[in-house]
Amino acid sequence: NAGVTQTPKFRILKIGQSMTLQCAQDMNHNYMYWYRQDPGMGLKLIYYSVGAGITDKGEVPNGYNVSRSTTEDFPLRLELAAPSQTSVYFCASTYRLAEEGYTFGSGTRLTVV
Amino acid sequence: QQQVKQSPQSLIVQKGGISIINCAYENTAFDYFPWYQQFPGKGPALLIAIRPDVSEKKEGRFTISFNKSAKQFSLHIMDSQPGDSATYFCAASGGGNQFYFGTGTSLTVIP
Repeated sequence: NAGVTQTPKFRILKIGQSMTLQCAQDMNHNYMYWYRQDPGMGLKLIYYSVGAGITDKGEVPNGYNVSRSTTEDFPLRLELAAPSQTSVYFCASTYRLAEEGYTFGSGTRLTVV
Repeated sequence: QQQVKQSPQSLIVQKGGISIINCAYENTAFDYFPWYQQFPGKGPALLIAIRPDVSEKKEGRFTISFNKSAKQFSLHIMDSQPGDSATYFCAASGGGNQFYFGTGTSLTVIP
């Protein structure tokens, strides 16, 4: 049981480049989330999905896009990367919010230079 | 605004001591309160969780105390060990589609 798998683990982007952060879960979880974590700032929600074909914005969605074509996958797209997007990105999933917490992936450390 | 307020931001405790981290919330619709532990370079991992129908939950050296009337909950780590050194996040959910996280507490346990 792999849980939540994020790829890549590390990436350096140049300003203006684009990339997709991959997230896959094998637990048949309905809910999936993307967070960014900056030093001393906690976890900020970027986008989330409550099921295939359904996505919604979180607290800090600007500069990002998501899609959810399957239950398993929830990729995060960065368009026109900016230094402000330098962060650690975590994908998380859960089956039911009221009964269990999130399962987090191991994170993607992104640096934009 | 911050839905869940967490304090302190950092905490240093001697080995064998008690570590206490506090969280407060305003939304009375919240009905599930987990704590997460995060080691450097890793994702947060669920540590322990509580619902508002109980005032305390204990799992090994970790205890959550919950005060519904004050809308506060806290994590107590008894007999703190250097291996407990990590960042701890409280969170809350209820009536919506996401968890709301505190800003985290960096715990250092000194041998």
